[in-house]
Amino acid sequence: GQQLNQSPQSMFIQEGEDVSMNCTSSSIFNTWLWYKQDPGEGPVLLIALYKAGELTSNGRLTAQFGITRKDSFLNISASIPSDVGIYFCAGRETSGSRLTFGEGTQLTVNP
Amino acid sequence: DGGITQSPKYLFRKEGQNVTLSCEQNLNHDAMYWYRQDPGQGLRLIYYSQIVNDFQKGDIAEGYSVSREKKESFPLTVTSAQKNPTAFYLCASSSSQPETQYFGPGTRLLVL
Repeated sequence: GQQLNQSPQSMFIQEGEDVSMNCTSSSIFNTWLWYKQDPGEGPVLLIALYKAGELTSNGRLTAQFGITRKDSFLNISASIPSDVGIYFCAGRETSGSRLTFGEGTQLTVNP
Repeated sequence: DGGITQSPKYLFRKEGQNVTLSCEQNLNHDAMYWYRQDPGQGLRLIYYSQIVNDFQKGDIAEGYSVSREKKESFPLTVTSAQKNPTAFYLCASSSSQPETQYFGPGTRLLVL
């Protein structure tokens, strides 16, 4: 199956810093989802995007559906220690019935 | 509470043994999915079902089998043909519109 290109693979930041990660695809997507996974747990949905150009916030998190429909980014502002985890993007192609997942971004926040 | 449950949390398999992982949802979702996650990697689709009594192979279906006799349940059997079964298994479900998948807590399978 197709893989999304998610970057960066890992990030090490200080508490209070802002974070940005993104996903790109060679195909046009009609859905972009962002998940967070804590160790040993299932991914939890953070933000869902369904329209090109859509910008959606969830607390300190903001995600955007790229205008080209081939990319999406997630920003976390004023990071805190509990933001630590793996962040996954996922997307669904216009003609597809399944989600494709990125490989994840491992976020470490130093107090 | 509405959600997805997976059991057990940890499962041990002996060589040559089949084991079944449970997944139940009370979200009234039509579609259900099984993913495999290996350390430091993303999610790979094993099987999915969009409706009761129907399911399709994902990208890594070999050595696995599923059934979908009830809307709420989508058990995954890891057969002895799966030579490298040690992984974290995640079940998910989604409604048809919009298709947003929600995950269960996962089952970690270990081989003795």
